[in-house]
Amino acid sequence: EVQLVQSGAEVKKPGESLKISCKGSGYSFTSYWIGWVRQMPGKGLEWMGIIYPGDSDTRYSPSFQGQVTISADKSISTAYLQWSSLKASDTAMYYCARCGSGSCYYWGQGTLVTVSS
Amino acid sequence: EIVMTQSPATLSVSPGERATLSCRASQSVSSNLAWYQQKPGQAPRLLIYGASTRATGIPARFSGSGSGTEFTLTISSLQSEDFAVYYCQQYNNWLGFTFGPGTKVDIK
Repeated sequence: EVQLVQSGAEVKKPGESLKISCKGSGYSFTSYWIGWVRQMPGKGLEWMGIIYPGDSDTRYSPSFQGQVTISADKSISTAYLQWSSLKASDTAMYYCARCGSGSCYYWGQGTLVTVSS
Repeated sequence: EIVMTQSPATLSVSPGERATLSCRASQSVSSNLAWYQQKPGQAPRLLIYGASTRATGIPARFSGSGSGTEFTLTISSLQSEDFAVYYCQQYNNWLGFTFGPGTKVDIK
């Protein structure tokens, strides 16, 4: 069974760093892209970027380029999304998803990130 | 960046009725278009990819059509479990996939 299990909810202060994770199982982790999607409270879905764990090829949406870093450790079948300096506007639910050719069938359960002073 | 628009923003439909949702791209995305359903508190669920191919396990009442810049998702006979928000997503431009703003389908 394919599963993507994300790390737990986080509460952080502005300016702090954060790295959340998405662990894949039940399939060949290096053979599918992993995408990250943001959903701010009460809002729609926003595409952040995507990584191919097989060779770490990473593509960022222009809106998120330079704002976050997407990475993967194929040895432990885990993808990451990280911030070096959080802002209150980063408060959102973040989803990872396994994507084949762009559309994404399997999704993680989401990680809620709250940034507040 | 390719901008996706969806209409209407909200669609009020009675159970058993047909629902037609529209999605438009600011430039051609060929058939690289997916539809997702999202219910409150849940992750999105892939319904349609390649503009018209149902994902595994998706009921036949869901159908997609279109290519280029104009796309449609049709739900032939709405069931109670279909009331949700629906998003289209283009994946033609690998420099940045984009979602539409969503259409909320609620009970009339």
